[in-house]
Amino acid sequence: GIQVEQSPPDLILQEGANSTLRCNFSDSVNNLQWFHQNPWGQLINLFYIPSGTKQNGRLSATTVATERYSLLYISSSQTTDSGVYFCAVESTAGNKLTFGGGTRVLVKP
Amino acid sequence: KAGVTQTPRYLIKTRGQQVTLSCSPISGHRSVSWYQQTPGQGLQFLFEYFSETQRNKGNFPGRFSGRQFSNSRSEMNVSTLELGDSALYLCASKLAGDDYNEQFFGPGTRLTVL
Repeated sequence: GIQVEQSPPDLILQEGANSTLRCNFSDSVNNLQWFHQNPWGQLINLFYIPSGTKQNGRLSATTVATERYSLLYISSSQTTDSGVYFCAVESTAGNKLTFGGGTRVLVKP
Repeated sequence: KAGVTQTPRYLIKTRGQQVTLSCSPISGHRSVSWYQQTPGQGLQFLFEYFSETQRNKGNFPGRFSGRQFSNSRSEMNVSTLELGDSALYLCASKLAGDDYNEQFFGPGTRLTVL
């Protein structure tokens, strides 16, 4: 099956810093989503981005499907950005998401 | 529009028991998927239902089963619970079955097996 790798596994930032999270996947995909998992476990949708670039406030994401990677940018980080960020892909076989291992982000005040 | 809801939110069971978890998708969504999250294995796909039919299944033993009702609500059942079944169980819904639509997750059910 498709493999999804996220890097770095852990990230410690000072409030106000910028950062880039990476997601590599091993095969063609029809869907790619980025999530933020809150402390209570719920996955919050950040981006649905099988290709191209999107921005939402201080967050933006880019997926280069032909090169099989996606990037999530966090600008001017805030302590509320802390948590685990997951990338998940749906392969051409469809109907299930395969998740990466996540990037644990800690933003210090 | 209400989001995906899951009940119960927390559950404590003992080994050998069985458990049923419930998921109500976003109104109009017809596909429901279940995922298990553990510290060791991460987030893993259990199964997906569309129009009351299981369309895809992950690599889990037969003790894990599910179903979907005509109103798209779904339940999953785990029989003969083992300690390793302790996990956060997440349900997700999406609009249609054949399109590669965005999935939305519920708050999860945290199951502890003692």
